[in-house]
Amino acid sequence: KAGVTQTPRYLIKTRGQQVTLSCSPISGHRSVSWYQQTPGQGLQFLFEYFSETQRNKGNFPGRFSGRQFSNSRSEMNVSTLELGDSALYLCATYSGVSSYNEQFFGPGTRLTVL
Amino acid sequence: DQQVKQNSPSLSVQEGRISILNCDYTNSMFDYFLWYKKYPAEGPTFLISISSIKDKNEDGRFTVFLNKSAKHLSLHIVPSQPGDSAVYFCAARGTNTGNQFYFGTGTSLTVIP
Repeated sequence: KAGVTQTPRYLIKTRGQQVTLSCSPISGHRSVSWYQQTPGQGLQFLFEYFSETQRNKGNFPGRFSGRQFSNSRSEMNVSTLELGDSALYLCATYSGVSSYNEQFFGPGTRLTVL
Repeated sequence: DQQVKQNSPSLSVQEGRISILNCDYTNSMFDYFLWYKKYPAEGPTFLISISSIKDKNEDGRFTVFLNKSAKHLSLHIVPSQPGDSAVYFCAARGTNTGNQFYFGTGTSLTVIP
């Protein structure tokens, strides 16, 4: 079974630009969550999509948005990039049905904002 | 509002000894708890989980203990090996919390050969 894939793996952008990250879940997984990891902050939850609908949302500004397609692939967009957006962005997927299933993480996209 | 807390940012243990990583939570509605391990430049990988109906779950060298009254869980690694050196995250979720996973800030474990 193929794992969670994220593209691209690395990105360098400048302030003010926008960026789109992609996540392809494990086959059959309908829930895709996005997290931001920065040193000392752990995994900060951005949002979760399930069956093309946003099911949960964290405390991030509206510059961070996402969507999910009918094949469960998800994209995350960050507009008007700021230096503080430099982080590792992780997506995690699970079936979305049972409450007692673990999430599986992708390798992450390392975003650097200059 | 950090609902899952790992108060020790780092831990060093000698090879062969026991490693104990701790995690506290504040939401009494959490009913499923997980530990993840993360190496640099990789995504976290699932290690072990426990539901709130249990107080202990074992998988090889890894054991998770849950103390619901104290809202505390711990991960024991016995014996510790150098390959266990990584950042460990605890996570929790509840059916009454929108199915969202809440993560701690992580504990960096170093196992000294």
